[in-house]
Amino acid sequence: AQKITQTQPGMFVQEKEAVTLDCTYDTSDPSYGLFWYKQPSSGEMIFLIYQGSYDQQNATEGRYSLNFQKARKSANLVISASQLGDSAMYFCAMREVSGGSYIPTFGRGTSLIVHP
Amino acid sequence: DAGVIQSPRHEVTEMGQEVTLRCKPISGHDYLFWYRQTMMRGLELLIYFNNNVPIDDSGMPEDRFSAKMPNASFSTLKIQPSEPRDSAVYFCASSSASGSSRGRIQYFGAGTRLSVL
Repeated sequence: AQKITQTQPGMFVQEKEAVTLDCTYDTSDPSYGLFWYKQPSSGEMIFLIYQGSYDQQNATEGRYSLNFQKARKSANLVISASQLGDSAMYFCAMREVSGGSYIPTFGRGTSLIVHP
Repeated sequence: DAGVIQSPRHEVTEMGQEVTLRCKPISGHDYLFWYRQTMMRGLELLIYFNNNVPIDDSGMPEDRFSAKMPNASFSTLKIQPSEPRDSAVYFCASSSASGSSRGRIQYFGAGTRLSVL
């Protein structure tokens, strides 16, 4: 079974609108971390936001917020006030702590296109 | 502080040639990871090191692939001989085991785009 599922291969949003990118995960580990990365057309992988499984509040980093619903095992990325520069691939990842490996598993990504 | 530095950014070579990719992790990070990204398979972990020691190389596809980390500030991924199916983007990433769980965030280099003709 996949540990990280991103069901939206592609998303479109109008500039200045908000957009939600979906991510669901599967783990039995009580302690884990969730990440989102952005990969623009230039190719680099840019860390955006992190949420720990024991964090009480949803993580926020500027225009990025992580809608963490633990019971539903979802960790959706919300981008507010989209900008043209937000057009990119977005990857959700999870790192489980058990076993001490600390190695994240990545989803297949969602392509976001922001229209002017 | 400089991020993860990879070289070269682009590599074009012919089948059968040896290819060496290089990585300098973020200073102070004690974990280093090599990934391969393709459209078909997404992002795959090839190998990772902890304190310069290879911990898990189960993702290395074949004996043609080898990786070394001679010191805390340098790692190489070598493919010998290269084949067209090795064409991909290869990423190096590093992280720190110290501090809070946020310290374990992986930071990626810009990647090396390899084309084997």
